[in-house]
Amino acid sequence: KQEVTQIPAALSVPEGENLVLNCSFTDSAIYNLQWFRQDPGKGLTSLLLIQSSQREQTSGRLNASLDKSSGRSTLYIAASQPGDSATYLCAVRSNSGYALNFGKGTSLLVTP
Amino acid sequence: GAGVSQSPRYKVAKRGQDVALRCDPISGHVSLFWYQQALGQGPEFLTYFQNEAQLDKSGLPSDRFFAERPEGSVSTLKIQRTQQEDSAVYLCASSSMGPETQYFGPGTRLLVL
Repeated sequence: KQEVTQIPAALSVPEGENLVLNCSFTDSAIYNLQWFRQDPGKGLTSLLLIQSSQREQTSGRLNASLDKSSGRSTLYIAASQPGDSATYLCAVRSNSGYALNFGKGTSLLVTP
Repeated sequence: GAGVSQSPRYKVAKRGQDVALRCDPISGHVSLFWYQQALGQGPEFLTYFQNEAQLDKSGLPSDRFFAERPEGSVSTLKIQRTQQEDSAVYLCASSSMGPETQYFGPGTRLLVL
């Protein structure tokens, strides 16, 4: 079974800092990898999706990279803002199925 | 509609009661997923539909859990004889075919007393 791990579990940074969230997975036979944001009491919002053939995706201040061979992905957030405070979830879809396997998330707090 | 909707948003049930949770996917989305999210955890896959066909139900935790999507649109997740360990947020997601993004609803928060 695909295991997804996210480090750190929680992170607090002052506004304006650049930061990196880490995701690792045990089975490199992946179809794609997605980063989501979850606000308290809300559903998940898709941030970036990286196909298995891609190395990175960018959207605004967010950049996600994928290294399949080492089983790692990173989400880079530039110039963090208090509105970025949320839980960030990494999810992997394996070649063998349709389901997403999620990590437990990184809880991010950006202080003014 | 503009996004995935779920109802009810909150449900309190007494242990042993049956509950039904509804999901309205994005119009035209072929794929529909149910996930269960316990407090402080990431979502865990429950089941997957392609149109009306339930192609994967490997994540359903017991035979008390049942899901259906009879017309390939709205889906219902039913939990019979609820237990305290069923307390969680139940998330529904839909997607179109292909290497697609899954779009999630706001979830139904179930509390079993």
